[in-house]
Amino acid sequence: EVQLVESGGDLVQPGGSLRLSCVASGFKFSSYEMNWVRQAPGKGLEWISYIGYAGDTTYYADSVRGRFTISRDNAKNSLYLQMNSLRAEDTALYYCARDQGSRPYEIDYCDYWGQGTLVTVSS
Amino acid sequence: EIMLTQSPATLSLSPGERATLSCRASQTVGRYLAWYQQRPGQAPRLLIYDTSFRATGIPARFSGSGSGTDFSLTISSLEPEDFAVYYCQYRTNRPPFVSFGGGTKVDIK
Repeated sequence: EVQLVESGGDLVQPGGSLRLSCVASGFKFSSYEMNWVRQAPGKGLEWISYIGYAGDTTYYADSVRGRFTISRDNAKNSLYLQMNSLRAEDTALYYCARDQGSRPYEIDYCDYWGQGTLVTVSS
Repeated sequence: EIMLTQSPATLSLSPGERATLSCRASQTVGRYLAWYQQRPGQAPRLLIYDTSFRATGIPARFSGSGSGTDFSLTISSLEPEDFAVYYCQYRTNRPPFVSFGGGTKVDIK
C-alpha cells in the first residue's frame, strides 16, 4: 500500500524558516518524481514544487520560487521542503504527492497524496 | 498563464441523481486535464487524467470528457460518498506549470 506521511508543520513567525518532510512507503521511491501541493484554510489547491527522480530537476511555482527548496533522499525514502522567508500567505496544509510518472522528467498528475502537515505563519 | 474556472461553485443534488461539473480553461489545454475529489478532512484523490482516463480503482460512474477549453466531469448516479469537492487541474512542461480550478462542491439536496 502506498503511504506518504508528512511532518514538520508548525507555527512560525513571518520571516522565519521551516523544513517539511515526507516519508514514503509501499513503492520504489527512487522511481517516482514527487510534488508538494498546498491548501490554505478553506481554499483550493495550489501546486508549489516538483522534483525529479534523482533530485537534479526541480520546478517551482512563482509564489515560492527563491524562498522554498525541494529536495529528496532516496536512501531514506524521503522528500523535503525547506521554506525560508515565510509569509502569512504561506499558511496552509502542505501535501506531499506522488507524480503519476507517465511522462518522465515532466510534471504529471498526482496519483497518491499524504494527509498533509499544517504550516501557520503568524506573529 | 492558463486559468481554470469551475462551475457551478456548488451543486446540490440527491443520491442517485446525475452530476455534471464544468471546467473551462482560459486558453486551450489540449487534453491535459485531470479531476480530483476531496472529501471533508481528507487529501485529494485522482479520479480522471488526460481528460477521460479513470485512475486506478475509480468506479465507472465517474467519467470525463472535453477538449481544448471546455471539460466536464460526470457522475452518472451519485453515491453518498460522492458528496465532496471536485477540482480540475491542468499541467504543462513548456514551461513547467500546474494550475487548479477553484473547485465545485457537490452537496446533498
